[in-house]
Amino acid sequence: EVQLVESGGGLVQPGGSLRLSCAASGFTFSSYWMHWVRQAPGKGLVWVSRINSDGSSTTYADSVKGRFTISRDNAKNTLYLQMSSLRAEDTAVYYCARGGYDFLARIGGFFDDWGQGILVTVSS
Amino acid sequence: EIVMTQSPATLSVSPGERATLSCRASQSVSSNVAWYQQKPGQAPRLLIYGASTRATGIPARFSGSGSGTEFTLTISSLQSEDFAVYYCQQYNNWPPLTFGGGTKVEIK
Repeated sequence: EVQLVESGGGLVQPGGSLRLSCAASGFTFSSYWMHWVRQAPGKGLVWVSRINSDGSSTTYADSVKGRFTISRDNAKNTLYLQMSSLRAEDTAVYYCARGGYDFLARIGGFFDDWGQGILVTVSS
Repeated sequence: EIVMTQSPATLSVSPGERATLSCRASQSVSSNVAWYQQKPGQAPRLLIYGASTRATGIPARFSGSGSGTEFTLTISSLQSEDFAVYYCQQYNNWPPLTFGGGTKVEIK
């Protein structure tokens, strides 16, 4: 069974930093792209970032570019999101999600498993 | 950025009835659309990818259709556990990956 368990969330002041972790199990972590997706309270889903399977390539949403860094440790089966210069608008539940792949269409970019999410609150 | 627009925002349906949810892309996304279900306090769950392929373990009452810019998720006979918020998402042209604003399916 695929399990993704986020940790590291909490309350942080504007301008502060926080590192989220996502512990993966039940699948070969090193074979999958991984993503972070967030959801502000009462709002919809917003993609944040992705990393390829060996960690050599990363992509970010414009809203977090230059402030957030995605990384992974395949030896520890763990995904990370380092967040800095945090703003009130970064307040959200952050989900780690496994990247899905459509072998027929030869394209990825959807999310076939999700963690339970972790709340990050940016407030003074 | 491709904008995904879902309609209606809220759909009131009686148990056992059919529900039809719509999603429109601001430009063609081929068939590279996924649908997710999210219940209160829970993570989203993948229902459909490739516009019409059900994910593992998803009941046959969920079906997806469409290509280009118009997509539909149909729930053939609503069960109590299907009342939730549903999101579409495109992955044809990214970054960024983009979601629709969601359709809430509520009990009539």
